Amino acid sequence: GAVVSQHPSRVICKSGTSVKIECRSLDFQATTMFWYRQFPKKSLMLMATSNEGSKATYEQGVEKDKFLINHASLTLSTLTVTSAHPEDSSFYICSVPGPTDTQYFGPGTRLTVL
Amino acid sequence: AQSVSQHNHHVILSEAASLELGCNYSYGGTVNLFWYVQYPGQHLQLLLKYFSGDPLVKGIKGFEAEFIKSKFSFNLRKPSVQWSDTAEYFCAVNGMNNNDLRFGAGTRLTVKP
Repeated sequence: GAVVSQHPSRVICKSGTSVKIECRSLDFQATTMFWYRQFPKKSLMLMATSNEGSKATYEQGVEKDKFLINHASLTLSTLTVTSAHPEDSSFYICSVPGPTDTQYFGPGTRLTVL
Repeated sequence: AQSVSQHNHHVILSEAASLELGCNYSYGGTVNLFWYVQYPGQHLQLLLKYFSGDPLVKGIKGFEAEFIKSKFSFNLRKPSVQWSDTAEYFCAVNGMNNNDLRFGAGTRLTVKP
C-alpha cells in the first residue's frame, strides 16, 4: 500500500491565489521530509527540506517566501505556494526517508495556475 | 557539489532487446546510489539501490545495476525488455549522511511491441 500520500492530486487556481499541498507519511514518523518539483519531461529538482520543529531548508534559487513549508507533525508537511503565477505550474512531489535510507515518494500534486 | 548525469535522454527499443542506461555521478565521498522508475501517470518507484557490498545489485522486474567506483558509474541493465518497461528512469545519489536525493535528468525508455 501507499507509504506517502499527497493531497490534492490536482489543483487548478487563479493567478494571485495561494495553494496548500499536504504530504503525509502513512507508515512511519518523519522528522524530515523533502519537497521536489518536476518540470515537464524533466527530472526532479529538490526544492527544500522540511524539518519537524524547525525552519525548512531551501535549495539555492528557491524563494522561501513564495514556497512556505510547515512541518506540523511527524507525519505531515505542507507546502503552500503563495501568490501563485502561471510559471509556478508544475508537478510537486514530496518524499519521506524510510528506515533503510530509502526515500518513499508521494504520488505528486499537479498544480495549474491560470 | 553532487551531480548526476544520465547520457541517454530517450531510448527506443524493440521487445526482447537488451537495455543499458548510463549513469555517472560526481560526489566527493561515499554515496548511496538508486534507480527509480516512473511509469506513465504513476509516482516514482524504487527499482534498486546500492549502499555497499556486491557492486552488482539486482532489483525488481529483472533489472540490475553495476557500481563501478573507478568510473563513478551506476549503469542500469536488463537483458530483455518488455513493452511494460516503457517508462522514465531516474538515477539518483545521496551522500552517506544526507537524506536528500539528487536526480539525473532521466531517460525515457520506449519499448515497441
